[in-house]
Amino acid sequence: EVQLLESGGGLVQPGGSLRLSCAASGFTFSTFAMSWVRQAPGRGLEWVSGMSGSGRNTYYADSVKGRFTISRDNSKNTLYLQMNSLRADDTALYYCAKDLRQLVPAFFDYWGQGTQVTVSS
Amino acid sequence: DIVMTQTPLSSPVTLGQPASISCRSSQSLELRDGATYLSWLQQRPGQRPRLLIYMISNRFTGVPDRFSGSGAGTDFTLKISRVEAEDVGVYYCMQSTQFPYTFGQGTKLEIK
Repeated sequence: EVQLLESGGGLVQPGGSLRLSCAASGFTFSTFAMSWVRQAPGRGLEWVSGMSGSGRNTYYADSVKGRFTISRDNSKNTLYLQMNSLRADDTALYYCAKDLRQLVPAFFDYWGQGTQVTVSS
Repeated sequence: DIVMTQTPLSSPVTLGQPASISCRSSQSLELRDGATYLSWLQQRPGQRPRLLIYMISNRFTGVPDRFSGSGAGTDFTLKISRVEAEDVGVYYCMQSTQFPYTFGQGTKLEIK
């Protein structure tokens, strides 16, 4: 059974940093692309970042480019999102999502339960 | 960025009746090889999103066959042949043809 468990969210001041983690199990982690998708309170879904199975290729939304960094440790079956220079509009529930494909992420077939990030002073 | 526009934003439906949601993209989602990266996701109240349909019309594993997807180019449709109580939630279309990937605003399916 595919399981994705996010952690690392919390309350942070504007300008601060957080590192999200997503522990994966139930599938061969290194053979699938992964993504982060967020959902602000009461709002729709917003794709944030994606990464190929090997970790060689990364992709970012313009809103987070230069501030967020996606990475993965295939030996630990874990996906990360390093978030720096956080702003109030980064406040959201952050989901980790597994992809159907290996190289370029495109179809998010399994999702974690999400981890809440709140940016406020 | 490709803008995804869904209609309607809210859809009250009678149990057992069909439902239809439209999604229009601001530019064609078809790649040169003919592939079209359009998917549909369901988010039940208080739950994580769930993949229903990918590549316009491919049902994901375990998705009931009352869900179907169709369309081409810039116009796509999700149909539910007979709505059941468990179908209540918000439905999103998503394009993954071009970065940044973008979602529609969501369509809330409610029971009348």
